[in-house]
Amino acid sequence: EIVLTQSPGTLSLSPGERATLSCRASQSVSGSHLAWYQQIPGQAPRLLIYDASSRATGIPDRFSGSGSGTDFSLTISRLEPEDFAVYYCHQYGASPWTFGQGTKVEIK
Amino acid sequence: QVQLVESGGGVVQPGRSLRLSCAASGFIFSDYAIHWVRQAPGKGLEWVAGISYDGINKDSADSVKGRFTISRDNSKNTLYLQMNSLRPGDTAVYYCARTQCSSLSCRANWFDPWGQGTLVTVSS
Repeated sequence: EIVLTQSPGTLSLSPGERATLSCRASQSVSGSHLAWYQQIPGQAPRLLIYDASSRATGIPDRFSGSGSGTDFSLTISRLEPEDFAVYYCHQYGASPWTFGQGTKVEIK
Repeated sequence: QVQLVESGGGVVQPGRSLRLSCAASGFIFSDYAIHWVRQAPGKGLEWVAGISYDGINKDSADSVKGRFTISRDNSKNTLYLQMNSLRPGDTAVYYCARTQCSSLSCRANWFDPWGQGTLVTVSS
């Protein structure tokens, strides 16, 4: 099983600042089959990024993903008020599909 | 529009059974693999089970293997999760989530869209 470890657990930032979230895999994720989701409390997760760096339909370009192998990151270039949420990485390259434990981006 | 709507959640005693449903609309249901993902209160996301477009290939997490069964009825555009021998640790919101392809082993297996979830509480 591929274990995904996200860091930091919580990121305290102000609107307009840049956020960088990390996701490290216990073994190489084949084909960069890694996605990022945003979850606002009380709502279902929303797809942001797939295949490590491809933005999903309708996602603003302030969200970007990068990485390969075992190290991946999600960057939000300038935080908007609606971006304060929990973010999860997810690998779909091998069964069992696994998620990171999440990074909470909170308002400082 | 593409939509997934879960139902069937509720409060159930340990050891009992429950069946969840996920009704799909806005796309050709029989073309896509689809999964169940759960989230315990205040916790992260956990993949539960997945099924191929034709219902032939299935896979599930070790934590539910032998207790939960995923199935689908393409004539009704509906996905199911039969949950037996429920435990307090199964308490969670259960989401169904569609992939972008037909098999469980294809490249485009990220989850989009997701349903709104249904809450299962296992308690005496």
